Amino acid sequence: EAQVTQNPRYLITVTGKKLTVTCSQNMNHEYMSWYRQDPGLGLRQIYYSMNVEVTDKGDVPEGYKVSRKEKRNFPLILESPSPNQTSLYFCASSLSGTANYGYTFGSGTRLTVV
Amino acid sequence: AQSVSQHNHHVILSEAASLELGCNYSYGGTVNLFWYVQYPGQHLQLLLKYFSGDPLVKGIKGFEAEFIKSKFSFNLRKPSVQWSDTAEYFCAVNEGAGSSNTGKLIFGQGTTLQVKP
Repeated sequence: EAQVTQNPRYLITVTGKKLTVTCSQNMNHEYMSWYRQDPGLGLRQIYYSMNVEVTDKGDVPEGYKVSRKEKRNFPLILESPSPNQTSLYFCASSLSGTANYGYTFGSGTRLTVV
Repeated sequence: AQSVSQHNHHVILSEAASLELGCNYSYGGTVNLFWYVQYPGQHLQLLLKYFSGDPLVKGIKGFEAEFIKSKFSFNLRKPSVQWSDTAEYFCAVNEGAGSSNTGKLIFGQGTTLQVKP
């Protein structure tokens, strides 16, 4: 089944403790992206990747890192999480960077930083 | 900067009522337009999309949307809603194809639709 897999689905952590949210897609998509969803704000892009080894900042990149060493994986790294990063996170992929095909979204990761 | 505005934040309808959710965007160039639906506790799923051609686009589950370029709008419609349509709906815009296109989808704030049985 074609899908984007995120792990974990739920995560509670403490301020300052490094964490990684994994994202993997099995559709050979070139384009991958991370969004965060907050009430009243919709979805905002954190980082994106047009292809392997090509990543760039989205609208809200502060406090996050990403890497794209393989085509299928695009992990999101929070080096020192803070409470304002409590949010619902979605990984998404698309066949190409023009997003003409629309995104396929993962199931989401609900992160709470205390 | 581009922006997407959804006018209705929370809509409550009875079953069989007609639905129209407003969406306006700010980008003046060529755009690709999308509507996504998020059922409670689930991820976003694509309802429909517009790239070019017929401005009236039909999607899944009886939804349709009309692109009106002069109004920068892409409103979502359904003639008769069902209880199972209860969800959050997001309009999204992407710049048209070109060297400057980063592939980013810009989302509206979302509209929560509650359908009463």
